[in-house]
Amino acid sequence: DTGVSQDPRHKITKRGQNVTFRCDPISEHNRLYWYRQTLGQGPEFLTYFQNEAQLEKSRLLSDRFSAERPKGSFSTLEIQRTEQGDSAMYLCASTSTQTQYFGPGTRLLVL
Amino acid sequence: AQSVAQPEDQVNVAEGNPLTVKCTYSVSGNPYLFWYVQYPNRGLQFLLKYITGDNLVKGSYGFEAEFNKSQTSFHLKKPSALVSDSALYFCAVRGYNDMRFGAGTRLTVKP
Repeated sequence: DTGVSQDPRHKITKRGQNVTFRCDPISEHNRLYWYRQTLGQGPEFLTYFQNEAQLEKSRLLSDRFSAERPKGSFSTLEIQRTEQGDSAMYLCASTSTQTQYFGPGTRLLVL
Repeated sequence: AQSVAQPEDQVNVAEGNPLTVKCTYSVSGNPYLFWYVQYPNRGLQFLLKYITGDNLVKGSYGFEAEFNKSQTSFHLKKPSALVSDSALYFCAVRGYNDMRFGAGTRLTVKP
């Protein structure tokens, strides 16, 4: 257990529905990252927060994706109008140094 | 742009034998290199990192990695493999605001 938690661990939804995932980072970590991992691939960067400020977004993060970290603590990742191609593991990581510590991930299946 | 490559999709070793999982990198500037391990349906666990200093880096669970600047490599090693080491291993390099991962190498240790 790295100290980073994610909820839910699994989510099955129908195409077109909205889903929201939550990440609780290690409490003293000021930076929080979201990644997406598909089967047989390494994690791909989605977005990054320094405290409550979203400082970078990957081009992978389409307009249907939005992330927030309102008080600089937990973060949410919302996917609107889900598509089957959104099926993946969504990983959250936090850090205050160079090493990122990952949560267990949320596995999303879009039917 | 920072990137890493893992040339082997799969590595098989017998329990008790030494293991090597290969990683090469391409960076501008000094590399910050990492190894993570992923067990089924779990997030990534940090094993070790190279930032600066000694080329031989020791990490968790008896793993070590050797940074080789001339060969631009950062191979993961363990003197004596355990069946419980069987997992997916990812090499990563620190990008500007993110972490760039290789595609992963599946290590199987047979009894």
